[in-house]
Amino acid sequence: DGGITQSPKYLFRKEGQNVTLSCEQNLNHDAMYWYRQDPGQGLRLIYYSQIVNDFQKGDIAEGYSVSREKKESFPLTVTSAQKNPTAFYLCASSTDTNSGYTFGSGTRLTVV
Amino acid sequence: DAKTTQPPSMDCAEGRAANLPCNHSTISGNEYVYWYRQIHSQGPQYIIHGLKNNETNEMASLIITEDRKSSTLILPHATLRDTAVYYCIVRAIKHSSNTGKLIFGQGTTLQVKP
Repeated sequence: DGGITQSPKYLFRKEGQNVTLSCEQNLNHDAMYWYRQDPGQGLRLIYYSQIVNDFQKGDIAEGYSVSREKKESFPLTVTSAQKNPTAFYLCASSTDTNSGYTFGSGTRLTVV
Repeated sequence: DAKTTQPPSMDCAEGRAANLPCNHSTISGNEYVYWYRQIHSQGPQYIIHGLKNNETNEMASLIITEDRKSSTLILPHATLRDTAVYYCIVRAIKHSSNTGKLIFGQGTTLQVKP
């Protein structure tokens, strides 16, 4: 079955370390997105990519970096510059038409 | 993308219809209305979307007013499993400079009670 996979589900990181969250999709979707969600809040857009080798900053890109070397993959790196990295991170993909997004199950990152 | 306004919370009795309102008074002609829901600690799930006409699928119905400034998501027979946060979002269609991005607000927390 086609879908979008995020790994790991839970991730613990020491303060000052970089960490990379994985997002893979086999839906043949052109566009991919990363969102951050804090407790009791809505989703905020970090980065998005509408095509391979191209990506744009969202509303809260500071302290994050991404790459889009393959259509299927859109990894997110949370750098040590991100001041409050503890959050629930969601990856999504969509075609370039009016269809809805497909979301992954999320990665919960905790900085200890 | 246009902003949306939703009530922060609603209750609904199990088996009854849940009607979730959304105001999007600044929506433009090239923007669709999308609804998603998020069950606790899971990724959001697509429910339905529409442009002008009312839409229905196996999950819900979407009623959009004639002036497109507001809409209502209807869950015809709510169950306990429908308890979730429901997000109403407007999104520009293809060929717009903002194509693709979904901007999430705070949503409505729907509590279905036995």
